[in-house]
Amino acid sequence: GNSVTQMEGPVTLSEEAFLTINCTYTATGYPSLFWYVQYPGEGLQLLLKATKADDKGSNKGFEATYRKETTSFHLEKGSVQVSDSAVYFCALRNQAGTALIFGKGTTLSVSS
Amino acid sequence: EAGVVQSPRYKIIEKKQPVAFWCNPISGHNTLYWYRQNLGQGPELLIRYENEEAVDDSQLPKDRFSAERLKGVDSTLKIQPAELGDSAVYLCASSLANEAFFGQGTRLTVV
Repeated sequence: GNSVTQMEGPVTLSEEAFLTINCTYTATGYPSLFWYVQYPGEGLQLLLKATKADDKGSNKGFEATYRKETTSFHLEKGSVQVSDSAVYFCALRNQAGTALIFGKGTTLSVSS
Repeated sequence: EAGVVQSPRYKIIEKKQPVAFWCNPISGHNTLYWYRQNLGQGPELLIRYENEEAVDDSQLPKDRFSAERLKGVDSTLKIQPAELGDSAVYLCASSLANEAFFGQGTRLTVV
């Protein structure tokens, strides 16, 4: 079946550190891949997405590249800020409109 | 434009009582989802609607959960009777194409 595996958290970093949150997936066909972010007290928001192999999604300094050969979609940011503290969810969708399948989430805590 | 609106934001009930959640999706979005998010976990699908039709309810515990989406717009999710294990955040989302937009969720506590 389809599934998403994320690295366990929490991830604790100092401001301006480099961030990587690993995400791998299992899916049939060619899924679309997503990163969602949940800031404290807020709902899930789409951070970035990629719909085909080798696509790079980017937003707010975050990037992730769709790697079909390694079935991965790792999230990276070169210099994190305190305001990036949140829970990050990797997700996939096999076809437009069908339900997203989420990983368990990774909590990021950034201190100044 | 307003996003996905859910109410109530918080609900505390005693076990065996009924509870209902309401969702107003983004205008024009024909796909609506209900997810459940347990503490420390990612959201899991309960039911998906295309307009007023439930097209995927395989994960909905039908003995106690029910949902409806009258006229293909607003939706309600009901639990009757609630159990302690139903404590979670219930998320509603809607989409028109490939991107899903989420509401802030209803945090249910069953005591």
